[in-house]
Amino acid sequence: DAGVTQSPTHLIKTRGQHVTLRCSPISGHKSVSWYQQVLGQGPQFIFQYYEKEERGRGNFPDRFSARQFPNYSSELNVNALLLGDSALYLCASSLNVGWEFKPQHFGDGTRLSIL
Amino acid sequence: DQQVKQNSPSLSVQEGRISILNCDYTNSMFDYFLWYKKYPAEGPTFLISISSIKDKNEDGRFTVFLNKSAKHLSLHIVPSQPGDSAVYFCAASGSSFNAGGTSYGKLTFGQGTILTVHP
Repeated sequence: DAGVTQSPTHLIKTRGQHVTLRCSPISGHKSVSWYQQVLGQGPQFIFQYYEKEERGRGNFPDRFSARQFPNYSSELNVNALLLGDSALYLCASSLNVGWEFKPQHFGDGTRLSIL
Repeated sequence: DQQVKQNSPSLSVQEGRISILNCDYTNSMFDYFLWYKKYPAEGPTFLISISSIKDKNEDGRFTVFLNKSAKHLSLHIVPSQPGDSAVYFCAASGSSFNAGGTSYGKLTFGQGTILTVHP
């Protein structure tokens, strides 16, 4: 079975530009979460979506937005890119949305570099 | 405010010996804990988890121990193998609620520990 897939794998942008990252969850998983991982740190929660609705949002500015489609795939959008947005962006999917002891499974991420 | 901490940035172990990775947390509302392994250029891979109603969970060479009173968990790998060399993250989850009162389950990660297993 295919795992979580993310595209593109690498992306180079300049300051002020906009970026869209894409994620397809594991088949049957209805919940998608996005995380940002900067070098030397653990992933930080950005969003969680379930059944096309935003369920949770981390401490990120409004420049970050996301959406989930009827097929449960998801997009993360970042506007007005800053140098500090350079990071690995990870997508994770899980069977459910809450905390009912089900693990989240991650894709390999999109490496975003801002010049 | 670092709610999940891995105080050892790195650990070096001989092949065949035990690897013990440690993690501390501060939020008493966390009730589900996970360990992930990450190789370079790959996403984190789920290894093992434990709920707060247990104090031990085993899966093959991997055992996770939870000490709720000390707010501490550890991952034991026995025996360690060179292929175990990777970055290990502990993560914690609890019931978070949005403005509408709906729950969701975000993961809060530690900073990671680089494990190196020498042949």
